[in-house]
Amino acid sequence: ETGVTQTPRHLVMGMTNKKSLKCEQHLGHNAMYWYKQSAKKPLELMFVYSLEERVENNSVPSRFSPECPNSSHLFLHLHTLQPEDSALYLCASSQVTQGAYEQYFGPGTRLTVT
Amino acid sequence: KQEVTQIPAALSVPEGENLVLNCSFTDSAIYNLQWFRQDPGKGLTSLLLIQSSQREQTSGRLNASLDKSSGRSTLYIAASQPGDSATYLCAVKGAQKLVFGQGTRLTINP
Repeated sequence: ETGVTQTPRHLVMGMTNKKSLKCEQHLGHNAMYWYKQSAKKPLELMFVYSLEERVENNSVPSRFSPECPNSSHLFLHLHTLQPEDSALYLCASSQVTQGAYEQYFGPGTRLTVT
Repeated sequence: KQEVTQIPAALSVPEGENLVLNCSFTDSAIYNLQWFRQDPGKGLTSLLLIQSSQREQTSGRLNASLDKSSGRSTLYIAASQPGDSATYLCAVKGAQKLVFGQGTRLTINP
């Protein structure tokens, strides 16, 4: 495996379900990100982890819960979601240096909440 | 608050043409600007990254310029091919996070 991988690629869940999205980066980076991409809206940053610590939570509802057990893995735990949470969820990673980095993205998980 | 705008929202051109995609941003205090490509239903592929101290970057048929003082960047695609059809996103890195535009959906007609 190379780059940034995400599983599952597609997920359909009911509003009462609990599921988790997984992201893994094979680039030796020290920062990981969750983004949400909804139709007709720009990508929205949800969470940032740098050196395994959450450094940003971009006003995301508590029904989304991130977890970063180590620098290579990032999870997004989902519970009691709403239909408007249906979107493409993208994970990214980067090597954080002083103000200059390049983000590499995974293929995304297409989430549908019914 | 940084805002990023991409014009046009959609562009359709015949194969072989040279074309320019535009990106503008409201806050010139940026660290870098990154251009991405996104195919339908897929993740983002990084194309070019321009540091704030640079004026342009080139990769193959792609050339990106940055004018930080005016808050503008352009992505120039030479000799376009049908395989270039995708949505192109620009994103600026400020002190905190990467802020994305809504993208330009490009279609190259054979």
